Amino acid sequence: AQSVSQHNHHVILSEAASLELGCNYSYGGTVNLFWYVQYPGQHLQLLLKYFSGDPLVKGIKGFEAEFIKSKFSFNLRKPSVQWSDTAEYFCAVNARGNQGGKLIFGQGTELSVKP
Amino acid sequence: DSGVTQTPKHLITATGQRVTLRCSPRSGDLSVYWYQQSLDQGLQFLIQYYNGEERAKGNILERFSAQQFPDLHSELNLSSLELGDSALYFCASSPPGIGGELFFGEGSRLTVL
Repeated sequence: AQSVSQHNHHVILSEAASLELGCNYSYGGTVNLFWYVQYPGQHLQLLLKYFSGDPLVKGIKGFEAEFIKSKFSFNLRKPSVQWSDTAEYFCAVNARGNQGGKLIFGQGTELSVKP
Repeated sequence: DSGVTQTPKHLITATGQRVTLRCSPRSGDLSVYWYQQSLDQGLQFLIQYYNGEERAKGNILERFSAQQFPDLHSELNLSSLELGDSALYFCASSPPGIGGELFFGEGSRLTVL
C-alpha cells in the first residue's frame, strides 16, 4: 500500500529564514507528487505538482520541490519564508494507474513563521 | 475559490444521530472524493465516485455511506454518530483524465456532542 511520511510535525521559523520540509513516499511504481497548503480556516490549495520531466518543480508563492527518485523523496523548499506562509503543508502521492485517482496524504507539517 | 461547494459548513449534532453532507464538484469534473481530517488521523481518504459509480474505497466505516447522483453532486451519509466522528470532512473533485490533481471544497466541520 502507498504511504507518505512527512518528517516534521511542527516547524517554527523566523521571517526570512529558509524552509525545507521533508516528504518520503512508499510505492514502487511511477507516481505523481503534490504539495498542498492549508491556511488557517481554509481549504487545501495546490502549491505545486510533479508528473514527469525536470525533477525540480516550481510552484506558487516562491515554493519549489525536488523529486529524488532514488530516495523516494519530494522535499518542499522556500528560500525566504514570510509570516503569511504560516499554514499546514501536506505532501501527497498518486500512484499512476491506481484504482481511481485518489491522493494519499502525509500527516502534514504545521509551519509557524514568527514576524 | 476552488469551484467545489460543500454544505453545511458547520454541523453540531448528538451521538447516535445521522447527518448528510453535500458536495457539488467543479463544472466538468466527473470524480468526487471524500476525505476526513482529524487531529489524530490527519487526512484520510474515505471514498471516490466517478460519474455515479464507486471507484475506490478507503478507510470508510460501515456506518458511513456515500453516493453520487446523475447531476454529479455527491452526498456523504454518516449514521450512528460517535464522538470520534467529529472532524472536518472535505470533498474534492478532479477532471477526467490522468494526473490526480484534486480541487478541494472548504469542508464541513462536524461536531458530535
